[in-house]
Amino acid sequence: GESVGLHLPTLSVQEGDNSIINCAYSNSASDYFIWYKQESGKGPQFIIDIRSNMDKRQGQRVTVLLNKTVKHLSLQIAATQPGDSAVYFCAENRNSGAGSYQLTFGKGTKLSVIP
Amino acid sequence: NAGVTQTPKFQVLKTGQSMTLQCAQDMNHEYMSWYRQDPGMGLRLIHYSVGAGITDQGEVPNGYNVSRSTTEDFPLRLLSAAPSQTSVYFCASSLQQNQPQHFGDGTRLSIL
Repeated sequence: GESVGLHLPTLSVQEGDNSIINCAYSNSASDYFIWYKQESGKGPQFIIDIRSNMDKRQGQRVTVLLNKTVKHLSLQIAATQPGDSAVYFCAENRNSGAGSYQLTFGKGTKLSVIP
Repeated sequence: NAGVTQTPKFQVLKTGQSMTLQCAQDMNHEYMSWYRQDPGMGLRLIHYSVGAGITDQGEVPNGYNVSRSTTEDFPLRLLSAAPSQTSVYFCASSLQQNQPQHFGDGTRLSIL
């Protein structure tokens, strides 16, 4: 079936290095994608989003890239800090018909920052 | 703004008991939703609402009921709890349904 997934379940990076978290999606009808950060014991926190009419979007220290040809989404975090340690989820907002949208999450990637 | 508030934070139930998980938002958001999060499964959509008086089923609606009598509140009801409903439940809201959702901090529910 169609799903949103992540290539790597865990990622360890050195403090100060850049992090790249990948996500594959299979529903070509999805037109809106979101990255969330979840710290232990808390709810997911919005990081950045991108719509299908864009290839790249930048925020503060974060960049999301969307490759519609291969249905691939990535989150880049510049100068990774210990506070970036968390589980990161990609999600696709899929049109489920009659103008209704449903958010489908990937399984998450755990990012660990090594001081 | 308090954002999205969920109560209770923790709850233990016995099989067959009923319970309502509360969710309230003070951002005047039209869209609200409930998810469950299980280990290795990510978040899965249970029910959602695009506005007061309107609800619809998500990916895993069985065993759960919702209602949306006001814009602010979106309670989730378990009529007869089962061990398979042990999970962490998150409520979320957004201004419109195709916009970033804001999440509460979750309710950790155990069914014995």
